[in-house]
Amino acid sequence: DAKTTQPPSMDCAEGRAANLPCNHSTISGNEYVYWYRQIHSQGPQYIIHGLKNNETNEMASLIITEDRKSSTLILPHATLRDTAVYYCIVSGNYGGSQGNLIFGKGTKLSVKP
Amino acid sequence: DGGITQSPKYLFRKEGQNVTLSCEQNLNHDAMYWYRQDPGQGLRLIYYSQIVNDFQKGDIAEGYSVSREKKESFPLTVTSAQKNPTAFYLCASGHYNEQFFGPGTRLTVL
Repeated sequence: DAKTTQPPSMDCAEGRAANLPCNHSTISGNEYVYWYRQIHSQGPQYIIHGLKNNETNEMASLIITEDRKSSTLILPHATLRDTAVYYCIVSGNYGGSQGNLIFGKGTKLSVKP
Repeated sequence: DGGITQSPKYLFRKEGQNVTLSCEQNLNHDAMYWYRQDPGQGLRLIYYSQIVNDFQKGDIAEGYSVSREKKESFPLTVTSAQKNPTAFYLCASGHYNEQFFGPGTRLTVL
């Protein structure tokens, strides 16, 4: 069973921020939120992860609500190369390696010029 | 160059034949994974291994087999028992909170 719910598709104008939502209302206390993306016909690429606090790296920001039931991935200045399927995944962190990741269908983000 | 390699990129086989997909990593990761992806779908876990000489079934292990004799290598065999083997196969290795994926092998069974 999928642990996350994402919209199937979104559009974003080039140069604008892309805000991708994810609902994970059944998340448990020791589970992390991970985001990956998959550009067409390639392997997925890790973007960011978080537990409770908001996180930022060179690729994106992750905003997690206080009740941890939802989160938003923010690409601050989307480019055409950000067009991809974005997966939001909830998983435990077992012994330093990730637990099994359950990839749903994700959100297909289309960045338009 | 560090990373994960999968070969070949495209593979064609006749129905009823076993086929082995290669996955090699030089990232010194203990954990390795095999996923299957069908058109328009997410990834589904076939097998995973957290350490050499040990591996576990994922959600769709039937018709597949693996071995983990070396830390760097995690080959996947698609057997004739797999009813619908045509798919995109992805291998990954894991380190802390990241999984690193290879470029994938697209298998077509004729």
